[in-house]
Amino acid sequence: KAGVTQTPRYLIKTRGQQVTLSCSPISGHRSVSWYQQTPGQGLQFLFEYFSETQRNKGNFPGRFSGRQFSNSRSEMNVSTLELGDSALYLCASSLAGGREYEQYFGPGTRLTVT
Amino acid sequence: AQSVTQPDIHITVSEGASLELRCNYSYGATPYLFWYVQSPGQGLQLLLKYFSGDTLVQGIKGFEAEFKRSQSSFNLRKPSVHWSDAAEYFCAVGAYVGGGSQGNLIFGKGTKLSVKP
Repeated sequence: KAGVTQTPRYLIKTRGQQVTLSCSPISGHRSVSWYQQTPGQGLQFLFEYFSETQRNKGNFPGRFSGRQFSNSRSEMNVSTLELGDSALYLCASSLAGGREYEQYFGPGTRLTVT
Repeated sequence: AQSVTQPDIHITVSEGASLELRCNYSYGATPYLFWYVQSPGQGLQLLLKYFSGDTLVQGIKGFEAEFKRSQSSFNLRKPSVHWSDAAEYFCAVGAYVGGGSQGNLIFGKGTKLSVKP
């Protein structure tokens, strides 16, 4: 079974621009979560989608948004990029969401904002 | 508030030596606990999980972890470390929000493991 895939793997953007990252979960998984990883703050939860609905959201500004499609693929968008948005963005999929299900992570998208 | 603490930022062990990585959690209910490993430039790979039952859980790559409720700990161990184990290790707890479980993990800050030849 193919794992979680994320595209693109690397991205360089300029302050003020917007960016869209994509995540394809493991086949059959209906929950997709997004995390931001930085050296200073570590791994922080952004949001979780289940059956095309945002079910949970972390403490991030409204510039960070996401969506999930009927095939469970998910995208996250960051508008008006700031230097502090430079990070590794990780997507994770699980069978049905909820803390009792294992989350399987993709390789991440490395975003650099200049 | 739910939290996970990994007291050791960086640990160096010799190849063949035993390893123990510490993890303490703060949680109001029965925790769902996980250990992940991350190699440089990669995503996170699940090593093992604890949900209930036997407090000693076995994982992949020869790792095991022991859940101790009295100490709020979930330490990761390996009897003999290999050079390929050099990576960063993250302990996590499944979050519990409101009246139901939610699909996010709360991570510790990670422990970077270096292995000496």
